[in-house]
Amino acid sequence: QVRLVQSGTEVTKPGASVKVSCQTSGYTFTDYYLHWVRQTPGHGLEWMGRINPNSGATEFAPRFQGRITLTRDTSISTASMDLTSLRSEDTAVYFCARAHLADTGGYFLDYWGQGALITVSS
Amino acid sequence: DIQMTQSPSSLSASVGDRVTLTCRSSQRIRNYLNWYQQKPGKAPYLLIYAASRLQSGVPSRFSGSGSGTDFTLTISSLQPEDFGTYYCEESYSNSRVFGQGTKVEIK
Repeated sequence: QVRLVQSGTEVTKPGASVKVSCQTSGYTFTDYYLHWVRQTPGHGLEWMGRINPNSGATEFAPRFQGRITLTRDTSISTASMDLTSLRSEDTAVYFCARAHLADTGGYFLDYWGQGALITVSS
Repeated sequence: DIQMTQSPSSLSASVGDRVTLTCRSSQRIRNYLNWYQQKPGKAPYLLIYAASRLQSGVPSRFSGSGSGTDFTLTISSLQPEDFGTYYCEESYSNSRVFGQGTKVEIK
């Protein structure tokens, strides 16, 4: 079955960086885009960006541009999200999710990782 | 940027009730609208995609409708396990946007 398993909880300091990984299984890794979504009390669910695991091409939400890097390693079917220059407002649960193209157009996120809680605190 | 507005922000209903949740987009998004259910401490779970398509494995009491700017999610007969927060999401724009959620409680 399809599974997305993320790395665990982290506590880090303002100004630092964090890397969250998303190991996939149960499907062909390069056939589906992977998206990153975070959830905070203040902003709810926020889309951060996506990666095409086949080509490595990425796209980001404007508010994260310059601070976020998305990568993938096709040999281990794993995607990763790096976020730099962390601040307290980046404290959130970070999710990866697989995107599936609907036959009528548009994408939907059909499988999600369990989430990784990242706490930014001095 | 597209804004997604859900109403109500919360509701409390009894088992067996028919429940309707609304999502409105600030721009026309055709049928590029998805609905998710989220329970505390869990990831969102896809219920409906393309406004009205029931995701495989989702109970048939869930249904979606709408196109353009106005969308609804209906639970035909509320069950105890349907508590949680429901989010709409547009997939029309390059930056997907989620609504702020509707929290459903069981009386």
